[in-house]
Amino acid sequence: RKEVEQDPGPFNVPEGATVAFNCTYSNSASQSFFWYRQDCRKEPKLLMSVYSSGNEDGRFTAQLNRASQYISLLIRDSKLSDSATYLCVVNGFGNEKLTFGTGTRLTIIP
Amino acid sequence: GAGVSQTPSNKVTEKGKYVELRCDPISGHTALYWYRQSLGQGPEFLIYFQGTGAADDSGLPNDRFFAVRPEGSVSTLKIQRTERGDSAVYLCASSSLRGGGVDEQFFGPGTRLTVL
Repeated sequence: RKEVEQDPGPFNVPEGATVAFNCTYSNSASQSFFWYRQDCRKEPKLLMSVYSSGNEDGRFTAQLNRASQYISLLIRDSKLSDSATYLCVVNGFGNEKLTFGTGTRLTIIP
Repeated sequence: GAGVSQTPSNKVTEKGKYVELRCDPISGHTALYWYRQSLGQGPEFLIYFQGTGAADDSGLPNDRFFAVRPEGSVSTLKIQRTERGDSAVYLCASSSLRGGGVDEQFFGPGTRLTVL
């Protein structure tokens, strides 16, 4: 079983719609959680950190459920510029390496 | 300011050859990471440096892979006797590691390695 699992998609969503991605992780000792965004043939960039209390950044909302070992990302009022691959990422306590999921590919359709 | 830079951006080599990939981290960042990303996959951790020393090299796939960071800034990933399965994008990242939590890792544009 992979440490971080995501639905690879692709998700093809009309502009303006709301889209949600989910991710599960296997290591209950994981301490830090992130969503990274990766554009085609570019490097990953941090989109947002994920906290148990949930956090919101504009149109983006991230949520962590430690009991279920589940992470989510919600994008509201999607824009064409949101088209990218979204990577779910976890990090263990005192362990600096990041463990990535395979990524979920999102395409926003005009 | 300048981000993480990697050279070359593309490298094509023949099976069995030796290659070196270079990473220049963000100035002042003490932590440096190497990851490898195959097509359709997320990046996979290879090795992490804190200063000059390799703090965690558990992701290196075998002894053909080696990395150095002699002066605590620039790092070189070295691959001996390359195999076709080594073809991937090699990503370097750096972070400031101020302590007390996980600091954001900033990624370079990667080196696309193709082994023929």
